[in-house]
Amino acid sequence: SQKIEQNSEALNIQEGKTATLTCNYTNYSPAYLQWYRQDPGRGPVFLLLIRENEKEKRKERLKVTFDTTLKQSLFHITASQPADSATYLCALVVYSNASKIIFGSGTRLSIQP
Amino acid sequence: NAGVTQTPKFQVLKTGQSMTLQCAQDMNHNSMYWYRQDPGMGLRLIYYSASEGTTDKGEVPNGYNVSRLNKREFSLRLESAAPSQTSVYFCASSTRQGAEAFFGQGTRLTVV
Repeated sequence: SQKIEQNSEALNIQEGKTATLTCNYTNYSPAYLQWYRQDPGRGPVFLLLIRENEKEKRKERLKVTFDTTLKQSLFHITASQPADSATYLCALVVYSNASKIIFGSGTRLSIQP
Repeated sequence: NAGVTQTPKFQVLKTGQSMTLQCAQDMNHNSMYWYRQDPGMGLRLIYYSASEGTTDKGEVPNGYNVSRLNKREFSLRLESAAPSQTSVYFCASSTRQGAEAFFGQGTRLTVV
């Protein structure tokens, strides 16, 4: 069956450290992989996109890697801050009749001061 | 620029009642999506539409119908609501294949 798994439901990190979130998938062949941030009571907000032929993408303190052989993406937040506390969702863009976006269950990240 | 607008924000239904959740986007996007979000389960795709006049089933389409009558609007209908449909519903849109999705603020639906 097709699955998208994010490594843990919750992750607690000390301020200033690097937070690393994992997204693994099975039985999908995504053209793109995306990461979103969701705050309580709000809709998800797009952060980064990486294509199947890209290994790494960076944006400010964020870095995403994509390994289509391992079927895994890693999402890093360096120099983490309490304001980074949120739920982070990975999403696959897959094609059947048209492109659709399928989400993982998310990881709730908490940055402790 | 409003982005993606969902109505209503909150709704309580009795089992068996019907209702339509409305979604409109003003970004001239081709693709639109409906998701539901339940605790611990992330976002699950109900239906999506790649363009005006076309719709496709997602992961959890049972109990729902959709209409994409024009480019701006994509509605989700519950014909006979059930308590299992209690959830937060999100509408989203994207401009092209692979592009990021923009989300509405969500509709919190409770079926009693």
